[in-house]
Amino acid sequence: AQSVTQPDIHITVSEGASLELRCNYSYGATPYLFWYVQSPGQGLQLLLKYFSGDTLVQGIKGFEAEFKRSQSSFNLRKPSVHWSDAAEYFCAVAAQEYGNKLVFGAGTILRVKS
Amino acid sequence: EPEVTQTPSHQVTQMGQEVILRCVPISNHLYFYWYRQILGQKVEFLVSFYNNEISEKSEIFDDQFSVERPDGSNFTLKIRSTKLEDSAMYFCASSATRFAYNEQFFGPGTRLTVL
Repeated sequence: AQSVTQPDIHITVSEGASLELRCNYSYGATPYLFWYVQSPGQGLQLLLKYFSGDTLVQGIKGFEAEFKRSQSSFNLRKPSVHWSDAAEYFCAVAAQEYGNKLVFGAGTILRVKS
Repeated sequence: EPEVTQTPSHQVTQMGQEVILRCVPISNHLYFYWYRQILGQKVEFLVSFYNNEISEKSEIFDDQFSVERPDGSNFTLKIRSTKLEDSAMYFCASSATRFAYNEQFFGPGTRLTVL
C-alpha cells in the first residue's frame, strides 16, 4: 500500500527566506505525486504534480518540487516566501494500480513571520 | 474559473441523526470523490463514484454511508446514523478522467460536528 510522510508538522520562516517542505513516499514503482495547499476556509488547491519526465517540476505561485527516486522524496521548495504563502501544505500520492484515490500526508503548517 | 462547491459549510447534528452533505462538482467532470479529515489527522479517502456507481470505497465507508448523484449537478454523501467519531471535515472532489495522474479539484469542505 502507498503511504506518505511529511515529517514537519509546523515550519516557521521569515518573509523573503527560502522554503523547503519535506515529503517521503512509500510505493514500489513510480507513483504520481502531488502537492496541495489549503488556506483557511478554502479547499485544497493543486500547486504542482509529477507523473513522468523531468524530475524538477514547476508549479503555481513560484513553487517547485523535485522527485528523487533514490530517496523516495518529493520536496517542495520556494526561493522567497511571501506572507500570503502561510497555509497548510499536503503532499499526496496516487497510483493507477490502487485506483485513482489520493493518499495524503499529514500536512505541514507554514507560518511566515515578517 | 470553475470550482467545486459544498453546502453547508458547517453542520451540527445530534448523534444518531441522519445528515446529507452536498457537493456540486465541476460541470464537465465525470469522477467524484469524498474525503474526510478528522481534526489533527490526515485527509483520508472515503469513496469514488463514476457513472452512477461506486468505483472504489475505503474500509471507513461502511453501511452507514451512501453516495448519490440525484440529478445532473449534485453529488451527495449521506451518513445514516451519525456517531461522535464521524465529526470531521468532509471534502468533495471531482476530476475529468479516471487516470490517477489527473488533478482532483476540491471543494472548501463541510465541517460536521456530531454532539
